[in-house]
Amino acid sequence: AQTVTQSQPEMSVQEAETVTLSCTYDTSESDYYLFWYKQPPSRQMILVIRQEAYKQQNATENRFSVNFQKAAKSFSLKISDSQLGDAAMYFCAYRSAIMGGANSKLTFGKGITLSVRP
Amino acid sequence: DGGITQSPKYLFRKEGQNVTLSCEQNLNHDAMYWYRQDPGQGLRLIYYSQIVNDFQKGDIAEGYSVSREKKESFPLTVTSAQKNPTAFYLCASSRPMDTEAFFGQGTRLTVV
Repeated sequence: AQTVTQSQPEMSVQEAETVTLSCTYDTSESDYYLFWYKQPPSRQMILVIRQEAYKQQNATENRFSVNFQKAAKSFSLKISDSQLGDAAMYFCAYRSAIMGGANSKLTFGKGITLSVRP
Repeated sequence: DGGITQSPKYLFRKEGQNVTLSCEQNLNHDAMYWYRQDPGQGLRLIYYSQIVNDFQKGDIAEGYSVSREKKESFPLTVTSAQKNPTAFYLCASSRPMDTEAFFGQGTRLTVV
């Protein structure tokens, strides 16, 4: 079974600075997807960024980028120019690339609470 | 607008009672999921359904039941057999060949 580990329960960053959130995972599969989801105080889960394991290039979405290290099974999220609206809980998640059945489920880490200091 | 609607937003239940959480989607997604969120636990899968009239247990299905009579609807019943039902419940949906899951806004269930 796949597992996702987020070992830091909380982090804080100064507004306009950069912060990196860590995530490691364990799987025996060679092809899969990794995600970072944001959950603001409204508790609505919002997809921040997605990485396909077969792609060597790290995904980027505006101020958000990932550092995907497949051999190390590491998937960190970097937030640049942090804004007050970035304050939220962030979840790392794994999904098998095999379609159908239980493979389509997301496996989540425990999450990290990010606070942004003005 | 397309999306997933969960209702109610807040729900209170007395011990020993069953309660049903609603999840409706108009995204024409085949797959639907129920997750439970507890502080410090992340999200854990309760049940999922890939097609109408079919559903499978997830990692923590004990004390819960579901039905999938319509593509748009996937209600979750929290039964009296669930020992610790107080939690935040999230419903999600996706297309079978799609990697992204879309989430509802959740239901906070409190046992009083």
